[in-house]
Amino acid sequence: GQNIDQPTEMTATEGAIVQINCTYQTSGFNGLFWYQQHAGEAPTFLSYNVLDGLEEKGRFSSFLSRSKGYSYLLLKELQMKDSASYLCAVVSGNTPLVFGKGTRLSVIA
Amino acid sequence: DTGVSQDPRHKITKRGQNVTFRCDPISEHNRLYWYRQTLGQGPEFLTYFQNEAQLEKSRLLSDRFSAERPKGSFSTLEIQRTEQGDSAMYLCASSLGGQDWADTQYFGPGTRLTVL
Repeated sequence: GQNIDQPTEMTATEGAIVQINCTYQTSGFNGLFWYQQHAGEAPTFLSYNVLDGLEEKGRFSSFLSRSKGYSYLLLKELQMKDSASYLCAVVSGNTPLVFGKGTRLSVIA
Repeated sequence: DTGVSQDPRHKITKRGQNVTFRCDPISEHNRLYWYRQTLGQGPEFLTYFQNEAQLEKSRLLSDRFSAERPKGSFSTLEIQRTEQGDSAMYLCASSLGGQDWADTQYFGPGTRLTVL
């Protein structure tokens, strides 16, 4: 079976740093994606990791440890517009993306 | 705007009616995917196409659901005899479809279905 776990909700302060964790158990692994989804809108691509380590893209970074089945998304210098759901999704074998339930992030002043 | 469009954006129907949704992918994308998303959940895979061939269907896709991509461009998703449990956001995504596993999927804005 395939299982992807993320915290349901998180709250952080504007200007701060937040880390959103994702653990996965899948049959096969060919990469992990992070998507951002604002309420009522489509998911938008943030990052892709297939090798262990940290990928940095501006204020957003994503980390992967394949041996631990673990990833995190790091958001720096939080802005109010970062309030959204963050979806972790895994590609395994030829199966299209398997998504976690998402983490709803609220950024407060 | 990712370049993937869906129509309609909202659909309200009565239980037992049939509905059809359309998705137009990014023009050079060979793969097209359908997902369903309910409140507080991540998208759940339904089916996908490589060009006009339907390559995989989830067990979530009951006999009442059918999808087509007749010319390898736009796709339609039909739900027959709708049930209240079909109420959800139906998302379409497309990707280039190469051998690279970093085959990023780009999502359309979705069709929100409400079955009364």
